[in-house]
Amino acid sequence: GIQVEQSPPDLILQEGANSTLRCNFSDSVNNLQWFHQNPWGQLINLFYIPSGTKQNGRLSATTVATERYSLLYISSSQTTDSGVYFCAVALPAGGGNKLTFGTGTQLKVEL
Amino acid sequence: NAGVTQTPKFRVLKTGQSMTLLCAQDMNHEYMYWYRQDPGMGLRLIHYSVGEGTTAKGEVPDGYNVSRLKKQNFLLGLESAAPSQTSVYFCASSGIESRAFFGQGTRLTVV
Repeated sequence: GIQVEQSPPDLILQEGANSTLRCNFSDSVNNLQWFHQNPWGQLINLFYIPSGTKQNGRLSATTVATERYSLLYISSSQTTDSGVYFCAVALPAGGGNKLTFGTGTQLKVEL
Repeated sequence: NAGVTQTPKFRVLKTGQSMTLLCAQDMNHEYMYWYRQDPGMGLRLIHYSVGEGTTAKGEVPDGYNVSRLKKQNFLLGLESAAPSQTSVYFCASSGIESRAFFGQGTRLTVV
């Protein structure tokens, strides 16, 4: 099956710092999404971004489908950004938009 | 608009007992999914459905059964619970070629 690798696995930031999270995938995909799992376990969909660039407030994401990677940028980080960030992808074949998840980047933002 | 709702939120089972996890979505989504999340392993797909009356196996289907009798509901059953099924279970739904939205999770412990 498709492999999804995220880096770095862990990240500690001071409040106000910027960061870039990376997602590499091993096959062509037609669906790529970024999720934030907050400390209470809730999974929030941040972006649906199979290609191109999107921005939502302090967060932005870029997917270069031809090179099989995606980046999530967090600017001016806040303590509420803490949690785990997951990248998930789905293959064009097979139907159902079945997502395969990476193992995540654990982010901690400190005061 | 409730989104995706899972019941129960917590459950403790004895080995060999059975239970059903309920998932309901109010977004008229075609696709529904059950994932499990274990420490350090991200989320893994158990079963999924591409429409009312359909179900299909995911990555880790053994020991689970599912049913989708109504478009808005997706049920996950454990016929004979085992300690290896201790996990956090997430239900999700999505439209065709669109973002996935997750429920709040069910924390299941099998003793």
